[in-house]
Amino acid sequence: DAKTTQPPSMDCAEGRAANLPCNHSTISGNEYVYWYRQIHSQGPQYIIHGLKNNETNEMASLIITEDRKSSTLILPHATLRDTAVYYCIVRVDYGGATNKLIFGTGTLLAVQP
Amino acid sequence: GAGVSQSPSNKVTEKGKDVELRCDPISGHTALYWYRQRLGQGLEFLIYFQGNSAPDKSGLPSDRFSAERTGESVSTLTIQRTQQEDSAVYLCASSLRFTGFYEQYFGPGTRLTVT
Repeated sequence: DAKTTQPPSMDCAEGRAANLPCNHSTISGNEYVYWYRQIHSQGPQYIIHGLKNNETNEMASLIITEDRKSSTLILPHATLRDTAVYYCIVRVDYGGATNKLIFGTGTLLAVQP
Repeated sequence: GAGVSQSPSNKVTEKGKDVELRCDPISGHTALYWYRQRLGQGLEFLIYFQGNSAPDKSGLPSDRFSAERTGESVSTLTIQRTQQEDSAVYLCASSLRFTGFYEQYFGPGTRLTVT
């Protein structure tokens, strides 16, 4: 699975959009981009995933560049409860023994009041 | 419905003792995963059970670590002769299937402290 690079920390004002970047320059054609987050003292929580098209759900939007070498997770209106460590993961998505997730150190997003 | 549960929530043990950590997955989930998270670090994959197939044990750090799962139910992670470097939060996750994408649901973890 390809390696990802994320900034260690970011701040965001409450109510503003939080844009979390992720570099995955060695991503291959069949690897998906996944985002999970981990609120303090809790287990990680799935947010969103995508292959090459932009994706949106009730939690966030995922923007993947055309060359797929980087992506951005967007929380459109950050709240204090969004303060967490955000993990960007790339993984091949096919049947078999590869459903394990390889987590990096993520980005600590601190939403400020 | 009920999520993934883990017990105990906290465990303090002396170096050299054995410990057993328990995970109750979401009912009906065929895949179950164990991860370890050391203080200030990301999650480290340990082992994954996939239905009735042989588990993927590629992440177990040493032969002191083992895990079992009976069918599609409870799993136990056993650490024998614990060492101080085993201190971490041990997280369990389950997903509906193990092929294709199925969201992993994580439990709250067991915080293990080896003194």
